[in-house]
Amino acid sequence: NAGVTQTPKFRVLKTGQSMTLLCAQDMNHEYMYWYRQDPGMGLRLIHYSVGEGTTAKGEVPDGYNVSRLKKQNFLLGLESAAPSQTSVYFCASSFTDRANEKLFFGSGTQLSVL
Amino acid sequence: QKEVEQDPGPLSVPEGAIVSLNCTYSNSAFQYFMWYRQYSRKGPELLMYTYSSGNKEDGRFTAQVDKSSKYISLFIRDSQPSDSATYLCAMSHPGSARQLTFGSGTQLTVLP
Repeated sequence: NAGVTQTPKFRVLKTGQSMTLLCAQDMNHEYMYWYRQDPGMGLRLIHYSVGEGTTAKGEVPDGYNVSRLKKQNFLLGLESAAPSQTSVYFCASSFTDRANEKLFFGSGTQLSVL
Repeated sequence: QKEVEQDPGPLSVPEGAIVSLNCTYSNSAFQYFMWYRQYSRKGPELLMYTYSSGNKEDGRFTAQVDKSSKYISLFIRDSQPSDSATYLCAMSHPGSARQLTFGSGTQLTVLP
């Protein structure tokens, strides 16, 4: 039972480079989310998706793009990485969008931008 | 000012101690309150969820909400080394899961 799988687990980028983080879930969840976690800041929502083919902006979307071409996958892209994007990135999914719905998180991607 | 404030710790206690973890918040519209547990190098996992004011107990864990003081707590009885983790509070008004506001987390270590 894989749940939510994120790849890669670690990555180091130079300023200006691009990369894509992949999230895959095998629970047939409609809703998927990308968060970033920074010390002292808590988890902040970057982008989310309410179903295949849909995406929407969260709290901190600038510098990121996302795509949800397949229901089970949610991709997060950095077009031109900046040191401010050094963070731990978490993907999550949920069955519904209710406020009390349990979010299932992946194990995270630790990204360093030099 | 952050909507949700959480003491980052670190908090270190001996095995068997009672642990109290707390969050304060400023948005009076919050009605759903959750606690997530995050082990090192892992994603958060939902531990407990409460709605509105009151207490909720689940084994060694008790979640308490005081809406009049805008204060929530998580109590861990008979703490175990396996409880060592970062505990995140999260809360939401009656909207959607994408409107969850997380605290920054309290790092807890239970010493054997």
